[in-house]
Amino acid sequence: QAVLTQPASLSASPGASASLTCTLRSGINVVSSRIFWYQQKPGSPPQHLMAYKSDSDMQRGSGVPSRFSGSKDASANAGILLISGLQSEDEADYYCMVWYSNSWVFGGGTTLSVL
Amino acid sequence: EVQLLESGGDLVQPGGSLRLSCAASGFTFRNYAMSWVRQTPGKGLEWVSAITGSGDKKYYADSVKGRFTISRDNSKSTVYLQMNTLRAEDTAVYYCAKDWDTAAGGIDYWGQGTLLTVSS
Repeated sequence: QAVLTQPASLSASPGASASLTCTLRSGINVVSSRIFWYQQKPGSPPQHLMAYKSDSDMQRGSGVPSRFSGSKDASANAGILLISGLQSEDEADYYCMVWYSNSWVFGGGTTLSVL
Repeated sequence: EVQLLESGGDLVQPGGSLRLSCAASGFTFRNYAMSWVRQTPGKGLEWVSAITGSGDKKYYADSVKGRFTISRDNSKSTVYLQMNTLRAEDTAVYYCAKDWDTAAGGIDYWGQGTLLTVSS
């Protein structure tokens, strides 16, 4: 079982909200984990969106708008990237990352389509 | 402004060696860990290696342990990745990334990447 699991794709309409999930493997507690989120557009390196541990312990990357936010679903052992007011420019791949067993581990990424 | 400029990517035969470099600017280099992350074209991100700000601790993915060596020269604000015994599956774009300065930190800036192709 992968350390981090992300759905391969997600579609949403302009102006709507999207919830991108990052499920941690059983035995890795999401509550105590700091989850990092990245956005990557074709032909470009990833861009840091945020680091989220809790609502009081969240840091957005430089220039990242407030319509990008984080949360957790402890019952599902998952981190969530929330994007509100979707815009066409939000079409991209999104990756989550955690530090686990002396390594950075990435999820497989979610391709978000805005249509 | 944080800038990370990778260099050294090339076409290498299987079994060969190569060293990647990453010149950093715009932050106090010695205070930050640095990582290398790779991405096979059309695929996801794979963390490769990290080194602490002082260089005293190094971390590697299992897929490269024993073949790759990370190092840094704080006087030159440069991090390196020495890659030996290269395999076709090492073919990827290699990104240099600015990493943590505290236990709460993580990767927050990425370079543009340099392409390594391992092929005969």
